[in-house]
Amino acid sequence: ETGVTQTPRHLVMGMTNKKSLKCEQHLGHNAMYWYKQSAKKPLELMFVYSLEERVENNSVPSRFSPECPNSSHLFLHLHTLQPEDSALYLCASSQGTGVSFGTDTQYFGPGTRLTVL
Amino acid sequence: GENVEQHPSTLSVQEGDSAVIKCTYSDSASNYFPWYKQELGKGPQLIIDIRSNVGEKKDQRIAVTLNKTAKHFSLHITETQPEDSAVYFCAASIERNQFYFGTGTSLTVIP
Repeated sequence: ETGVTQTPRHLVMGMTNKKSLKCEQHLGHNAMYWYKQSAKKPLELMFVYSLEERVENNSVPSRFSPECPNSSHLFLHLHTLQPEDSALYLCASSQGTGVSFGTDTQYFGPGTRLTVL
Repeated sequence: GENVEQHPSTLSVQEGDSAVIKCTYSDSASNYFPWYKQELGKGPQLIIDIRSNVGEKKDQRIAVTLNKTAKHFSLHITETQPEDSAVYFCAASIERNQFYFGTGTSLTVIP
């Protein structure tokens, strides 16, 4: 185990549903990330939080809404998704201190397999 | 932004043989290069990494080499075992939270 947990592990939702993905890290890290993993494509960075502040939003559609209430928890709120949003959503964390924490090792959770019908 | 290319996309080797996966990157400012292994149903796990001030790093059967001039880095796995079968991802990182990943290599070790 990496110290990063994600729930649920699998989620099936309709296009009109609202659901949330949860990530929790037990590593004492200060930075947390959401990635989207689709088949045959590189991992796509969606959001980055450092010390509970969003520092990166890579042109993600507004139907994805992140929330970071504290440095140990990260949520991804989903609403009005499209079938092409079906993918594995990965959460990661890193030490995340200082301005150059982009080169810190990232530790990934097991992911949430999302299927949008 | 950074562009990371990874080859091959699939690789099959006999148990005991070596496996080599190569990645190239475009931004000479990249200075951190991790390799991740992803097994079925799990998230990526860091297996080895290298920083731009080092040319080679080894950890038991796994090694990574970096050629900054040519902007490429490689993962070498020696004496492969069936449990090495997985998808391997390379990444390049510049300061300030940007990891750029390759598209992955599916490695199969044939017993």
